Amino acid sequence: AQTVTQSQPEMSVQEAETVTLSCTYDTSESDYYLFWYKQPPSRQMILVIRQEAYKQQNATENRFSVNFQKAAKSFSLKISDSQLGDAAMYFCAYNTPLVFGKGTRLSVIA
Amino acid sequence: DVKVTQSSRYLVKRTGEKVFLECVQDMDHENMFWYRQDPGLGLRLIYFSYDVKMKEKGDIPEGYSVSREKKERFSLILESASTNQTSMYLCASSLGQGFQETQYFGPGTRLLVL
Repeated sequence: AQTVTQSQPEMSVQEAETVTLSCTYDTSESDYYLFWYKQPPSRQMILVIRQEAYKQQNATENRFSVNFQKAAKSFSLKISDSQLGDAAMYFCAYNTPLVFGKGTRLSVIA
Repeated sequence: DVKVTQSSRYLVKRTGEKVFLECVQDMDHENMFWYRQDPGLGLRLIYFSYDVKMKEKGDIPEGYSVSREKKERFSLILESASTNQTSMYLCASSLGQGFQETQYFGPGTRLLVL
């Protein structure tokens, strides 16, 4: 069975700084998708970024980028120039239907 | 923009009651999903549906059933609510089949079973 592990239950970052959220996964598949979803307090979960395992190039979306290491089965999320609105639960997920990690709660300090 | 709505944001029910959670999406998506979210456990898949009248069990289907009579609507049913079903329930939809599809989530229903 596929599993997704987020080893950091909570993290904090100063506004304007950079933070990296970790995610590892386990699968025997060769092609798959990985996702980072964001769940702000009392708001709907939204997609932040996704990565196809087939592609070696790391995905980027504005201030969000990933470090995808397929051999290590690692998929970390880097948030640059952190903003107060980035405070949320972040979930790493595998494929659709999604297999989720347990989440990392990110706090942003002004 | 895709909109996924859930019938209630908060719900309080008694043990043994039959509970219906409704989810509607307005973008003609093929796939719909029900997840349960618990602190420290993340989200877990209960059921999903790839087509009208079609359903597939997820990781934790026990105690739940689903109904999809129309493409835009996916209902989660707790046949006899129990206290261990107190949780946040999230509905999601995606456009087509395939593991690459982005899911769009509803706001969630926080259910308390007394």
